[in-house]
Amino acid sequence: DAKTTQPPSMDCAEGRAANLPCNHSTISGNEYVYWYRQIHSQGPQYIIHGLKNNETNEMASLIITEDRKSSTLILPHATLRDTAVYYCIVRLSQGGSEKLVFGKGMKLTVNP
Amino acid sequence: DAMVIQNPRYQVTQFGKPVTLSCSQTLNHNVMYWYQQKSSQAPKLLFHYYDKDFNNEADTPDNFQSRRPNTSFCFLDIRSPGLGDAAMYLCATSRGASGQETQYFGPGTRLLVL
Repeated sequence: DAKTTQPPSMDCAEGRAANLPCNHSTISGNEYVYWYRQIHSQGPQYIIHGLKNNETNEMASLIITEDRKSSTLILPHATLRDTAVYYCIVRLSQGGSEKLVFGKGMKLTVNP
Repeated sequence: DAMVIQNPRYQVTQFGKPVTLSCSQTLNHNVMYWYQQKSSQAPKLLFHYYDKDFNNEADTPDNFQSRRPNTSFCFLDIRSPGLGDAAMYLCATSRGASGQETQYFGPGTRLLVL
């Protein structure tokens, strides 16, 4: 079962930063936080992942709270092409449980 | 570019007629996965291969089978498709099986059962 909670939807203005929250209050010390997104009728696209430290790549930044019970995905300058369903997923770092268990995700709509 | 390829993008089959969906990868990844995504739902893992080792999810129906003849290719066979099997089928790959290994998805094959 999914171990994360996300709001069902969020709107953001084009050009503004989009801050996507995720709660994972039962996360274990060896579990990674992953973010994927899925644009309509396409396969999920990997965005970023992290364990403890904040992470940044060319797509987004991931801010993980010190207690690791929540995180925020930041799209610094949202564009219309960022409209998608965003999935926050926790995964074990080792031990064979390599499944990605998708929750319901959050629909982000970027408005012009 | 290295990638995960799924063919065809759309597949139409008849109720009860066996159908095979294909996935290939140029990433040389060890692990290949098949997910099912029904309309307005999240993807759900059916099974995966780590090299030649097959790992079935407990709740995957027997109607679904898979083959991996080599590193690059993996097939999803639906022996007797029912109307409820209409869905997007997603193939993914990862270098390893641990939680820190990113899974990369193909574009999916949308299956329609008539």
